[in-house]
Amino acid sequence: QVQLVQSGSELKKPGASVKLSCKTSGYMFNKYGINWVRQAPGQGLEWMGWINTNTGNPTYAQVFKGRFVFSLDTSVSTAYLQISALKAEDTAKYYCARLTSVFGNYHMDVWGHGTTVTVSS
Amino acid sequence: SYVLTQPPSVSVAPGQTAKITCGVQNLGTKSVHWYQQKPGQAPVLVIYNDNDRPSGIPERLSGSTSGNTATLTISRVEDGDEADYYCQVWGTSSDHRGVFGNGTKVTVL
Repeated sequence: QVQLVQSGSELKKPGASVKLSCKTSGYMFNKYGINWVRQAPGQGLEWMGWINTNTGNPTYAQVFKGRFVFSLDTSVSTAYLQISALKAEDTAKYYCARLTSVFGNYHMDVWGHGTTVTVSS
Repeated sequence: SYVLTQPPSVSVAPGQTAKITCGVQNLGTKSVHWYQQKPGQAPVLVIYNDNDRPSGIPERLSGSTSGNTATLTISRVEDGDEADYYCQVWGTSSDHRGVFGNGTKVTVL
């Protein structure tokens, strides 16, 4: 079955970097994009952007341009999210989600379980 | 870009019907999708393309649109329906593609 398995929780100090992984299985990796979604504690879902797994081209929501980088390793069907210069405000749960299209309308049909990132000195 | 407006909360008694609205400016021909998120869990797609259900989602959950408002209806509400529900539209502006509503917490009384 289709699965997105995310890496484990991270505790980082301000200014550090972190790289989260999202390993996929059960489908052809390059046929579906991967979204990244942030959820701060007690808050709603915030779309960060997505990466085209066929071309490797990333698209970032405006507020996530700069310190956030999406990447791929197609040999292991895995997407990555790297966050640099971490701030306390980056403390959140980060989800990856598969992007699918039905009749040209895009939605996120399968989600990873999420990775919790805590930024604290 | 799209702005999706949801009520913060909806309360409903077991067995009754809950309706969660999602106001979408300039919806046009775009489709609305809905996600359910139970406490401590990842979101789950429950409605896509306005009114289609993924396999495994009960028929009690249904979606509809009228003008600039999409509605998720939960019939015969059960305790297990208590969750946060988010609407989502895939926008046309490259940096505002996957817009989510602010979420509605459904409380079963």
